[in-house]
Amino acid sequence: KQEVTQIPAALSVPEGENLVLNCSFTDSAIYNLQWFRQDPGKGLTSLLLIQSSQREQTSGRLNASLDKSSGRSTLYIAASQPGDSATYLCAVRPDNDMRFGAGTRLTVKP
Amino acid sequence: NAGVMQNPRHLVRRRGQEARLRCSPMKGHSHVYWYRQLPEEGLKFMVYLQKENIIDESGMPKERFSAEFPKEGPSILRIQQVVRGDSAAYFCASSRPGPASNEQFFGPGTRLTVL
Repeated sequence: KQEVTQIPAALSVPEGENLVLNCSFTDSAIYNLQWFRQDPGKGLTSLLLIQSSQREQTSGRLNASLDKSSGRSTLYIAASQPGDSATYLCAVRPDNDMRFGAGTRLTVKP
Repeated sequence: NAGVMQNPRHLVRRRGQEARLRCSPMKGHSHVYWYRQLPEEGLKFMVYLQKENIIDESGMPKERFSAEFPKEGPSILRIQQVVRGDSAAYFCASSRPGPASNEQFFGPGTRLTVL
């Protein structure tokens, strides 16, 4: 059974710091992996989608990597800003559904 | 091209009432997925539908919950005789027909509160 784990559960950093969020999954048989952002009481905003054949994707200050063989992905956020404060969710697609981690709650302090 | 639309955005029901949640997929998308996010928990898959067919309902509770995606109109997630434990955010996603690698696009969610 596919399990997705995100570490740390919560992270607080000062503005301007570079940071890394971690995601691990137990079964490497996935179609893709996706990182989302969720603000309190809101929906999901897709940040980056990495297909199983890809190693990384970049968008602005965000870079996500995928190592299927080891069951790991990282989301790198450069030069963090207070507006980056949110919960970041990692999800993998092993089949019809997507399996989500519990998220990392990020706070960027001004 | 409008995104995935869900309504209502907020729904309040008393215990024992029925809740109907609607999801209109993106244009050109014929695959719909429903997820539930309980308070302080991650999203959990409930059901996957294509037009007029339930493909995978492995995440759906066996009782009181049902889903449909008719030939015309939105997908409906129906919860009968709601209980307090049904209070959650319900998200719908849609994708184009094709391989499982196709991206799922998420709606804004319906937040159900059961009093």
